[in-house]
Amino acid sequence: DAMVIQNPRYQVTQFGKPVTLSCSQTLNHNVMYWYQQKSSQAPKLLFHYYDKDFNNEADTPDNFQSRRPNTSFCFLDIRSPGLGDAAMYLCATSRARMSYTFGSGTRLTVV
Amino acid sequence: AQSVTQLDSQVPVFEEAPVELRCNYSSSVSVYLFWYVQYPNQGLQLLLKYLSGSTLVESINGFEAEFNKSQTSFHLRKPSVHISDTAEYFCAVSDRGSNYKLTFGKGTLLTVNP
Repeated sequence: DAMVIQNPRYQVTQFGKPVTLSCSQTLNHNVMYWYQQKSSQAPKLLFHYYDKDFNNEADTPDNFQSRRPNTSFCFLDIRSPGLGDAAMYLCATSRARMSYTFGSGTRLTVV
Repeated sequence: AQSVTQLDSQVPVFEEAPVELRCNYSSSVSVYLFWYVQYPNQGLQLLLKYLSGSTLVESINGFEAEFNKSQTSFHLRKPSVHISDTAEYFCAVSDRGSNYKLTFGKGTLLTVNP
């Protein structure tokens, strides 16, 4: 089945140690998104790629970066994770922006 | 700028009772509207969506939502809920003015009690 896959499902990282979360899709959608969702809150858009064009949200901290080497893969890099970055990170894809498909998420814990 | 308001943060109901989860949006242009469901420690699953056409949209598991342009609402309803419907429900909107970014409401936790 076509889907959005996020790895790993759970990630524990040390305070200040760089961490990378990955997302892959078999839907061949041209838009990919990264959302941050803290406990009991709505998902918050960090950035998105429209094809290779990177779009950063104005309030996304510089600590967060993203890479999209090809249509299928997208990575979220957190350069120096702080305790406040502990959250669920959701990857989503879209074609024509009338339908958005989400992955199962990566739960990030910072110790 | 678009925004979504979910008026109820928590809705407890008994099994087999009807339920309505309220959603209001703000946008100056035509919109696409979505309801997503999220179970603990999982991603978001699309429940139903309104893009155009009939204002009443239905999901395969008995939920329905009606787009009301005059009241800028997209309330979610189910005539008889099950224990398994217990989850967090998010209303979301995307519009041409925001470059079709998906903006979420704060969510409503539906708890179905036996």
